[in-house]
Amino acid sequence: EPEVTQTPSHQVTQMGQEVILRCVPISNHLYFYWYRQILGQKVEFLVSFYNNEISEKSEIFDDQFSVERPDGSNFTLKIRSTKLEDSAMYFCASTGMGATEAFFGQGTRLTVV
Amino acid sequence: ELKVEQNPLFLSMQEGKNYTIYCNYSTTSDRLYWYRQDPGKSLESLFVLLSNGAVKQEGRLMASLDTKARLSTLHITAAVHDLSATYFCAVDTNSGYALNFGKGTSLLVTP
Repeated sequence: EPEVTQTPSHQVTQMGQEVILRCVPISNHLYFYWYRQILGQKVEFLVSFYNNEISEKSEIFDDQFSVERPDGSNFTLKIRSTKLEDSAMYFCASTGMGATEAFFGQGTRLTVV
Repeated sequence: ELKVEQNPLFLSMQEGKNYTIYCNYSTTSDRLYWYRQDPGKSLESLFVLLSNGAVKQEGRLMASLDTKARLSTLHITAAVHDLSATYFCAVDTNSGYALNFGKGTSLLVTP
């Protein structure tokens, strides 16, 4: 069964460092997303990406964040100059054209120390 | 701003009992989703409700959608321990399919 895969599963970084979270969406999907979940809280939308550009972003997705689809398979989230409050689980998701269901990856737990 | 509210946020129930989780949302949307999350795990899609009056059932769970009332319910029938998890409802923004999630209902089913 196709699935969204994320790497790494857990990343620890020092405050101020840059991190790149990686995702491989389901191969024939066209819409890609990043969400985050601070421990014990709800899932928050960060950004959606379609046709090689951002289609929607939330207030959380400020200049500290960027996304890229560097090749035909990977979808990355870069966080520049990480802060303690960036510690969270980050989920990647993807959706096919006309499909209504978003499939989520297993998540990357980011810990900023 | 689209708001999605779930209640209750915490639910402890005995095995064999029935209960309903409610999800209200603040703006027009015809698509509502229910997800399950086990501790430390990802989000598992349970139901996708696409139209007013939609009802879907899987095992002991049944979800319904009333778009006029902006309300969805997740009904649990004869709960079993394996249903213990956090349940999220989510509504999309009708643009780019981005999902707005409720705070989740943490369900604990006890013997």
